[in-house]
Amino acid sequence: RKEVEQDPGPFNVPEGATVAFNCTYSNSASQSFFWYRQDCRKEPKLLMSVYSSGNEDGRFTAQLNRASQYISLLIRDSKLSDSATYLCVVKRPGGYQKVTFGTGTKLQVIP
Amino acid sequence: DAEITQSPRHKITETGRQVTLACHQTWNHNNMFWYRQDLGHGLRLIHYSYGVHDTNKGEVSDGYSVSRSNTEDLPLTLESAASSQTSVYFCASSERGNRGEQFFGPGTRLTVL
Repeated sequence: RKEVEQDPGPFNVPEGATVAFNCTYSNSASQSFFWYRQDCRKEPKLLMSVYSSGNEDGRFTAQLNRASQYISLLIRDSKLSDSATYLCVVKRPGGYQKVTFGTGTKLQVIP
Repeated sequence: DAEITQSPRHKITETGRQVTLACHQTWNHNNMFWYRQDLGHGLRLIHYSYGVHDTNKGEVSDGYSVSRSNTEDLPLTLESAASSQTSVYFCASSERGNRGEQFFGPGTRLTVL
C-alpha cells in the first residue's frame, strides 16, 4: 500500500459547485498534514496546513480523520482559477526525509 | 521579496555528461531540499540539508550529489547523466523546526538524451 494515496481525477465541476477530495495515508504515526496546489508546469505552493480540529480559509476547508487515516479538502463556490492539481502531503515523525507527497488530484472547473 | 530561484529553467544534455542545477534562496532558511517529479510519482526527495556543510540522502539519491557552502545555495550535481534522470527538478526551502511547510522554486526541466 502506498504511504499516501489520492484519486488522480480529473474532477470536472461547474463554476460555483462544491467539490471534495480525500487523501488516505498508511502510517498511523503521521503527525503533520498539508494541502499544496500545483498549476500545470509550475511549482507546488502551500495551500493550507491541516489541523486536528479542522481548519478553514475562505472557501477552503481541510479536515483530518485520524481514526480512518485520511485528510480531506473541501472547496466551496468553485472558481475557474481553482483549476489545478491538489497535492496531499504527510509528514511522519522525524526529519524531512519523512515527508511524503501524494501524486495529486486534478481539478478542472468548467464555465 | 524573498524567493527561491533555479537555473537553468530548461536543460538538454547527453548521457554521461556532468550537469549542475543551481538553487538560490533569499528566505534565509536553514533547510533546503531537492525533489524530482515524474508522471505517476509524487515529488520524491533526492537530497536535503539542514544547514551549512550539512547534506543528507533522500529516497532517490543515487547518481546525485549536493554541497552546502552557504545558507543561500544548494546546487545539485548529476555526476554522469542518465536517461532515467530526465525529469522536472524542484528545489525547496523551509524554516528550521517548522511542521513541514516548504517553499518551492520554479523548477528545472532536464532532458537527458
